[in-house]
Amino acid sequence: EAGVTQSPTHLIKTRGQQATLRCSPISGHTSVYWYQQALGLGLQFLLWYDEGEERNRGNFPPRFSGRQFPNYSSELNVNALELEDSALYLCASTPQGAGNTEAFFGQGTRLTVV
Amino acid sequence: GQNIDQPTEMTATEGAIVQINCTYQTSGFNGLFWYQQHAGEAPTFLSYNVLDGLEEKGRFSSFLSRSKGYSYLLLKELQMKDSASYLCAVRDGESNYQLIWGAGTKLIIKP
Repeated sequence: EAGVTQSPTHLIKTRGQQATLRCSPISGHTSVYWYQQALGLGLQFLLWYDEGEERNRGNFPPRFSGRQFPNYSSELNVNALELEDSALYLCASTPQGAGNTEAFFGQGTRLTVV
Repeated sequence: GQNIDQPTEMTATEGAIVQINCTYQTSGFNGLFWYQQHAGEAPTFLSYNVLDGLEEKGRFSSFLSRSKGYSYLLLKELQMKDSASYLCAVRDGESNYQLIWGAGTKLIIKP
């Protein structure tokens, strides 16, 4: 069974540009979480999608947005990129409303803003 | 509000035992997870606790006290490869089962 897949693995953008990151959850999982992890720091919650709807968002500006498609894959968009947006962006998926099922992470997208 | 606290960094010696604590305040509680994350890699699942008590899995054990909003991860016979960040997460059933994450504890193992 395929795990959570993220693309691209690495992304280099110029300040002011837009970045689009993609995540495909494990088959059967309907919840997708997005996290930002700057170098040496902990996970910062960005967005949570479940059944196609945004359920919650972290303390990030509106230029961080996303969506979830009918097949439960998800996209994270970052507009007007700033240097401090450089980080590892991780996606995790879980079944909807699951109690004891852990979240499975993708390998992440390393975004570098220059 | 929802909050999970862990120490930022800990140092331990190879072969020793270390305990990493996690305290949480969430609207609801439907289980607590521990994850390991090596630098530059994705977090991987270590353990899950939903009832009070100790869950043992090889060199790693995890403890939960729901009344105290407290958990710890115990690592025995430390190896250099255990150098990593350890993340605590709580599933909040009062918030549509959202996972709430701590910032992680960076564990440094010295020879």
